[in-house]
Amino acid sequence: EVHLVESGGGLVQPGGSLRLSCAVSGITSSTHWMSWVRQAPGRGLEWVTMIKEDGSRAHYVDSVKGRFTISRDNAKHSLYLQLNNLRVEDTAVYYCATFEDDGDYFDYWGQGTLVTVSS
Amino acid sequence: QSALTQPASVSGSPGQSITISCTGTSSDIGTYNFVSWYQQHPGKAPKLMIFEVNKRPSGVSNRFSGSKSGDTASLTISGLQAEDEADYYCCSYAGSRFWVFGGGTKLTVL
Repeated sequence: EVHLVESGGGLVQPGGSLRLSCAVSGITSSTHWMSWVRQAPGRGLEWVTMIKEDGSRAHYVDSVKGRFTISRDNAKHSLYLQLNNLRVEDTAVYYCATFEDDGDYFDYWGQGTLVTVSS
Repeated sequence: QSALTQPASVSGSPGQSITISCTGTSSDIGTYNFVSWYQQHPGKAPKLMIFEVNKRPSGVSNRFSGSKSGDTASLTISGLQAEDEADYYCCSYAGSRFWVFGGGTKLTVL
């Protein structure tokens, strides 16, 4: 059974930083693109970023370019998201998800970790 | 890069069928057959229900079906059951390595 477990969320002031982690089990994560999708309180889903299987390529939504960095450590079966220069509007539950590149869909999801940006 | 448009809410009685629409543009749904649908119960993670417009992952009930016409995709749930009550989100590839979700539709089973 596939399990994705996020951690690292919390309360941070505007302009601050946070690093999210996602532990993957039940699949060979090194053969999957991985992604982060966020959901602001009471709002819909928003794709944020994704990274290729070997970490050689990454894509970002415009609103986080230059502030967020996705990375992965396949040896540790882990995905990361470094969040810098955080804004109030970045407040959301952040989900990690596997991404099926041959079909363009998010197949397995974690339970999410809440990031709150507030002074 | 605007979100796809979904009705805020739909409702139906047990046993009935409902359809949720998802309207995009010629830059996303109108061009690509990479439309997926996700079910989300309150406080839970999203769950993949449909991918590539009309394909069901293993384990998803055949009461769920998807379709597309022009710039609009649709999710149909037949034989409504109480456990289908949830939020539903559509998603489409929008080119240039960007994926866009809909705003979500709250399904109420009366």
